[in-house]
Amino acid sequence: QKEVEQDPGPLSVPEGAIVSLNCTYSNSAFQYFMWYRQYSRKGPELLMYTYSSGNKEDGRFTAQVDKSSKYISLFIRDSQPSDSATYLCAMSGGGTASKLTFGTGTRLQVTL
Amino acid sequence: SQTIHQWPATLVQPVGSPLSLECTVEGTSNPNLYWYRQAAGRGLQLLFYSVGIGQISSEVPQNLSASRPQDRQFILSSKKLLLSDSGFYLCAYQRPSGANVLTFGAGSRLTVL
Repeated sequence: QKEVEQDPGPLSVPEGAIVSLNCTYSNSAFQYFMWYRQYSRKGPELLMYTYSSGNKEDGRFTAQVDKSSKYISLFIRDSQPSDSATYLCAMSGGGTASKLTFGTGTRLQVTL
Repeated sequence: SQTIHQWPATLVQPVGSPLSLECTVEGTSNPNLYWYRQAAGRGLQLLFYSVGIGQISSEVPQNLSASRPQDRQFILSSKKLLLSDSGFYLCAYQRPSGANVLTFGAGSRLTVL
């Protein structure tokens, strides 16, 4: 079993839809949770960062962490074609060096 | 502001040839530095990380090595490339007093033929 599971998609939605992206994990030591967005042939860029359980909102993006279920989500409201990318969840237990464990990524396509 | 540079962006090399990928960070001192490899459909795999000059930790035994000759320079090398070394290589840094997040470079795409 992988430490972090993420549905690879692809996920295709019409413009304006609400998108839900999810990851599950098995390591209860994970405390820091991130979502990265990666456009084709580019490096990942940080989208959302949360510590422990709870919700965090930033514009059209909302990140949720449920540590009891070992489940994290990213919601995108009013999705735009520019949101078309691969979304990677990442997590770590903290420490001197942040060795992040990544999901395999979900490819999202927002159509006009 | 901090920036991270990787080069070359694209590289095509024959099997058995050497490799050197470079990464430099600007605007921060004593960052933690990382090399990841991203293979198609397999997510990001941590290869090496460094918390200081000359300090390298290897996560996966393989055909690659890393060095940190200067505070903000991180180099990924191989003496003899294998076909399986093909992939997208990403350098990242973490600010020493920052949150547990990494900032990635634009990546280097390596094809071994």
